[in-house]
Amino acid sequence: DTEVTQTPKHLVMGMTNKKSLKCEQHMGHRAMYWYKQKAKKPPELMFVYSYEKLSINESVPSRFSPECPNSSLLNLHLHALQPEDSALYLCASSQYGQIEGTEAFFGQGTRLTVV
Amino acid sequence: KQEVTQIPAALSVPEGENLVLNCSFTDSAIYNLQWFRQDPGKGLTSLLLIQSSQREQTSGRLNASLDKSSGRSTLYIAASQPGDSATYLCAVRKSRTASKLTFGTGTRLQVTL
Repeated sequence: DTEVTQTPKHLVMGMTNKKSLKCEQHMGHRAMYWYKQKAKKPPELMFVYSYEKLSINESVPSRFSPECPNSSLLNLHLHALQPEDSALYLCASSQYGQIEGTEAFFGQGTRLTVV
Repeated sequence: KQEVTQIPAALSVPEGENLVLNCSFTDSAIYNLQWFRQDPGKGLTSLLLIQSSQREQTSGRLNASLDKSSGRSTLYIAASQPGDSATYLCAVRKSRTASKLTFGTGTRLQVTL
């Protein structure tokens, strides 16, 4: 099973709302990622969790708050977003560090629209 | 800073043609390179992973080659089909312990009947 599952698939939220994106994998991967992708652009890294600890924050605004409650789950909490935050949010996972390969697997994304 | 470029940005070919997509990276010190396809509004599907010590990888009608010293990779698609229409992205990883993937700019492929 090489599946990364993201929910919801689509989300529309107002600028004062609080919402969460969820990501789940059962491949035993210990690195999990959030990427943001705008139309016709490549994905941009936001956060990396390694062994459930935040290892990379690519200077993301604090209105995005990641959480990794266990080795299979990754959340992205959203609060007071701006319309320019509308994008496709992608979750990914991979083996970490010492294991040969480190192939990354992506979920199908959450299409977020901020109104 | 690693920069990854894909040429062409867009490509339209008739069904049945063999085609080559190009990926260039500025820093040859990479650990591996991964090719993905992305359908409109969807996530990324991993196609091939090629380690820095390898010259090529094959999966079905797909063949990826890597020339690390010259900073280039190519994705060869044989006998293209309309179902191959998608955006193709390459991404490089700097080292075994590096978490970040640096993505190319992508090639939008359309295969026509």
